[in-house]
Amino acid sequence: EIVLTQSPGSLSLSPGERATLSCRASQSVSNNYLAWYQQKPGQAPRLLIYRASFRATGIPDRFSGSGSGTDFTLTITRLEPEDFAVYYCHQYGSSPLTFGQGTKVEIK
Amino acid sequence: QVQLVESGGGVVQPGRSLRLSCAASGFTFSTYAIHWVRQPPGEGLEWVAVISYDGTNKYYADSVKGRFTISRDNSKNTQYLQMNSLRTEDTAFYYCAKGLVGKTTVTSPLDYWGQGTLVTVSS
Repeated sequence: EIVLTQSPGSLSLSPGERATLSCRASQSVSNNYLAWYQQKPGQAPRLLIYRASFRATGIPDRFSGSGSGTDFTLTITRLEPEDFAVYYCHQYGSSPLTFGQGTKVEIK
Repeated sequence: QVQLVESGGGVVQPGRSLRLSCAASGFTFSTYAIHWVRQPPGEGLEWVAVISYDGTNKYYADSVKGRFTISRDNSKNTQYLQMNSLRTEDTAFYYCAKGLVGKTTVTSPLDYWGQGTLVTVSS
């Protein structure tokens, strides 16, 4: 099983600032099949990024993903008020699929 | 528009069974794998199981293997999760989610999710 470790656990930032979230895998993620999701309280997760760097339909270009192998990053260039949420990375390259434990982006 | 609606959650005693359903609309159901992902209240996401678009391939998390069974009825656009021998640690919101890429099983991110149904296992 591939274990995904996200850092930091939480991030306190102001609107307009840049957020950088990390996801490290215990072994190489096949074909860089790594996705990022955003989840707000009381809502289902929303797909933001897939295959490490491809934005999902309708996702603003302030969200970007990068990385390969075992190290991946989600960057939000200018935080909007609606971006404060929990973010999860997810590998879907091999079964069992796994998720990171999440990074909470909070308003400073 | 794509919709996934879960049902069947509730309160159940340890050791008992429950069947969840996921009704789909707005896309060609028989072309896409459907997953179950769960989330204990206030905690993170855990992938549970997936069934391929045609029902021939099924994969499970170790934590549910041998207790949970995933199935689908493409004529009804509905997927099911039969949960047996429930444990207190199975308490969670259960989401069904659709794979982004058609005619794949595991290797696809999850592009649409239902709103979840809460399963509470308690004596």
